[in-house]
Amino acid sequence: QVQLVESGGGVVQPGGSLRLSCEASGFTFNNYGMHWVRQAPGKGLEWVAYIRDDGSNKYYVDSVKGRFTISRDSSKNTLYVQMNSLRAEDTAVYYCAKEGPGGGLGSWGQGTLVTVSS
Amino acid sequence: SYELTQPPSVSVSPGQTASITCSGNKLGNKYACWYQQKPGQSPVLVIYQDIKRPSGIPERFSGSNSGNTATLTISGTQAMDEADYYCQAWDSSTAYVFGTGTKVTVL
Repeated sequence: QVQLVESGGGVVQPGGSLRLSCEASGFTFNNYGMHWVRQAPGKGLEWVAYIRDDGSNKYYVDSVKGRFTISRDSSKNTLYVQMNSLRAEDTAVYYCAKEGPGGGLGSWGQGTLVTVSS
Repeated sequence: SYELTQPPSVSVSPGQTASITCSGNKLGNKYACWYQQKPGQSPVLVIYQDIKRPSGIPERFSGSNSGNTATLTISGTQAMDEADYYCQAWDSSTAYVFGTGTKVTVL
């Protein structure tokens, strides 16, 4: 069965950096686009970034463009997001998700919490 | 940027039908998805391509999409359906976007 396990969250100061990882198993990683989605405490879902199956195209929400970089390593079946110049408003649980049927987000990890605070 | 608007809350009695709307400019020209999120859990896809259910999703969940509004309908609502629900679509200007979310309460 599909498993997505995020790691790398923690507390970071404003202006700092963090790299999140998402280890995938139970499916052919190379065949699927992957997403990062975040959820601030008590708030709704916000899509953050997407990378195509072959890594050829990447898309970002406007609020993270120029600060976040999504990437993938097929040899490790792992998705990443490098987050730089972090702000308080980036505080959230970050989920990775696998592209599902019809372009939906078909499978989700359990999430990792990122807290940006001094 | 593209936005999807949902009512903050919907209340329904057990066994009755709950309808959750999602409004966006010309949303009917795009595919809509719906997700269910229970407290402390990750979201689950319940509807994709407007009307299709992933395997394992009960038949009481159905969807429609026309004009500027997509609708998720839960027929014969059960206590276990109490959750937050989010619509989602893809737009060329914004890429992927989620709706504002609706809390469904089963009274």
